[in-house]
Amino acid sequence: DAKTTQPTSMDCAEGRAANLPCNHSTISGNEYVYWYRQIHSQGPQYIIHGLKNNETNEMASLIITEDRKSSTLILPHATLRDTAVYYCIVRPLGDYKLSFGAGTTVTVRA
Amino acid sequence: NAGVTQTPKFQVLKTGQSMTLQCAQDMNHNSMYWYRQDPGMGLRLIYYSASEGTTDKGEVPNGYNVSRLNKREFSLRLESAAPSQTSVYFCASRRRGGEGNQPQHFGDGTRLSIL
Repeated sequence: DAKTTQPTSMDCAEGRAANLPCNHSTISGNEYVYWYRQIHSQGPQYIIHGLKNNETNEMASLIITEDRKSSTLILPHATLRDTAVYYCIVRPLGDYKLSFGAGTTVTVRA
Repeated sequence: NAGVTQTPKFQVLKTGQSMTLQCAQDMNHNSMYWYRQDPGMGLRLIYYSASEGTTDKGEVPNGYNVSRLNKREFSLRLESAAPSQTSVYFCASRRRGGEGNQPQHFGDGTRLSIL
């Protein structure tokens, strides 16, 4: 399984873009990059996932480098409600489980 | 559309008691999962069900049993609760097939304390 490396914590200002990095230098060709977040006392929430192309949805954008060894999750306009632990996970197509590491604790400040 | 619903939300048990955690999803998903999350740690998979009628062990299955009652429901049973099973339990479901790799969707958890 490809391991991921994320910063332990980061702060960002409300209304600004939040850029969350993730390194996955041992990723294999059939492994997807997923991002989830967990707001305090709630279940993990799916944000976005991608294989090699950049992806965007109503919550965020995912930028994957051309060599696929790293990615960045972008929250375009962070709000206080985006304060959460963000997890970057790499899993092969069709795999049955997710392995959540420590993630990045993101604090959005007013 | 409720998504994944877990009951109860909170429970306190005494050592040796048994209980069943319930999970239901209304998204017509094929696969369902049970995880536990301990303080400061990531989620660990207990059991999963790839489709109705099948169940398989995950990373930490000891002390638990599961039942995939139908496509919607997947229950987790503690036959003889131990303090080490104090945790937050999350149920998740996922649609199989389709384009790409479908994500898992989680319930809000059951907070279980065993005294």
